[in-house]
Amino acid sequence: KQEVTQIPAALSVPEGENLVLNCSFTDSAIYNLQWFRQDPGKGLTSLLLIQSSQREQTSGRLNASLDKSSGRSTLYIAASQPGDSATYLCAVWDTDKLIFGTGTRLQVFP
Amino acid sequence: GAGVSQSPSNKVTEKGKDVELRCDPISGHTALYWYRQSLGQGLEFLIYFQGNSAPDKSGLPSDRFSAERTGGSVSTLTIQRTQQEDSAVYLCASSLVSGGSAGAFRYFGAGTRLSVL
Repeated sequence: KQEVTQIPAALSVPEGENLVLNCSFTDSAIYNLQWFRQDPGKGLTSLLLIQSSQREQTSGRLNASLDKSSGRSTLYIAASQPGDSATYLCAVWDTDKLIFGTGTRLQVFP
Repeated sequence: GAGVSQSPSNKVTEKGKDVELRCDPISGHTALYWYRQSLGQGLEFLIYFQGNSAPDKSGLPSDRFSAERTGGSVSTLTIQRTQQEDSAVYLCASSLVSGGSAGAFRYFGAGTRLSVL
């Protein structure tokens, strides 16, 4: 059974810091991996999708890498801003469903 | 519509009552998924539809939970005899196709927040 773990569970940093959020999964036989952002009381916003054949994706200040063999993905946030405060979720594509990690709650203070 | 629409956005009910949650997927999307997010828990998969069929309903927590999809479009998640532990945000997603290709990119609705008193 696929299990997805995210570390750290919570993170509080001053504005401007570069951040690394970690996601690990137990079964490397995944299709893709996706990072989401969830704001309080809101739905999910997709940030980056890394397809099975790819090793990383970039969008603006965000960069996500995927190492299937070691069962790890990393989301790198450069020059963090207060507007980045949210919960970040990684999800592995497992056949026909997404299996989500438990999330990292990020707070960036001015 | 432009995105996945869920209704109601909030639902408060009394323990023991039945509730129905509705999901309108993006037009033309053949696959539809229901997830639940309980306080302090991660997002857990409930059920997945391909067309009107549910190939995977392994995540439904008990026989009080059921879901249907009609016309390959709207889906309804029904919870009978609600319990306090059913309180959660119920999220719906849809995708053009199922599987692992880029066409299976899921678009999520804003969710229904269910509170059972």
